Amino acid sequence: DIQMTQSPSSLSASVGDRVTITCQASQDISNYLNWYQQKPGKAPKLLIYDASNLETGVPSRFSGSGSGTDFTFTISSLQPEDIATYYCQQYDNLPLMYTFGQGTKLEIK
Amino acid sequence: EVQLVQSGAEVKKPGESLKISCKGSGYSFTSYWIGWVRQMPGKGLEWMGIIYPGDSDTRYSPSFQGQVTISADKSISTAYLQWSSLKASDTAMYYCARQDTGSGSYNYWGQGTLVTVSS
Repeated sequence: DIQMTQSPSSLSASVGDRVTITCQASQDISNYLNWYQQKPGKAPKLLIYDASNLETGVPSRFSGSGSGTDFTFTISSLQPEDIATYYCQQYDNLPLMYTFGQGTKLEIK
Repeated sequence: EVQLVQSGAEVKKPGESLKISCKGSGYSFTSYWIGWVRQMPGKGLEWMGIIYPGDSDTRYSPSFQGQVTISADKSISTAYLQWSSLKASDTAMYYCARQDTGSGSYNYWGQGTLVTVSS
């Protein structure tokens, strides 16, 4: 099974800061990597799909990059409404399997 | 508008059975995979399994194989997650989500169903 290692597990930053979260796969997953935001008491929301594609309607301060085993999620200028937990998720077609990272809880400093 | 509407919160005793539902609307229900995701209290997201309602092709995470059953009734555009004998450790929020075509991403989510198992 493919393992995903997401870091850090928690992060405190100030409004306006650039924030970076990383996700590392235990083997090559090409660009089969998605990023989600989950606010307390809410369902997750897709932000980035296939490593670097911004989901429709998601603000452009969110971005993703990487391929193979190493991936990065970036918020270019942190806003108060970005306080949430962020998850990476990989998927594999053969066999059909999905794995979430452990999550990164983002707080305002 | 694409919507996934899940059934309401449940409180059950250990050993009881349960079936929760996820009704899709605003799209062709038979043409998209529907996945189920568990979130235990204060914990992260865990992928449980997925079903293609068009032909009921179903796949499970090894962690959940044999523990739950995923099914769908395409005549009423509804997917299900069921347990035959609940345990206290099944207490969690359960989400259904629709997979995007051509991508392994889940771009539409249900609101979640909270299952509480307690004696």
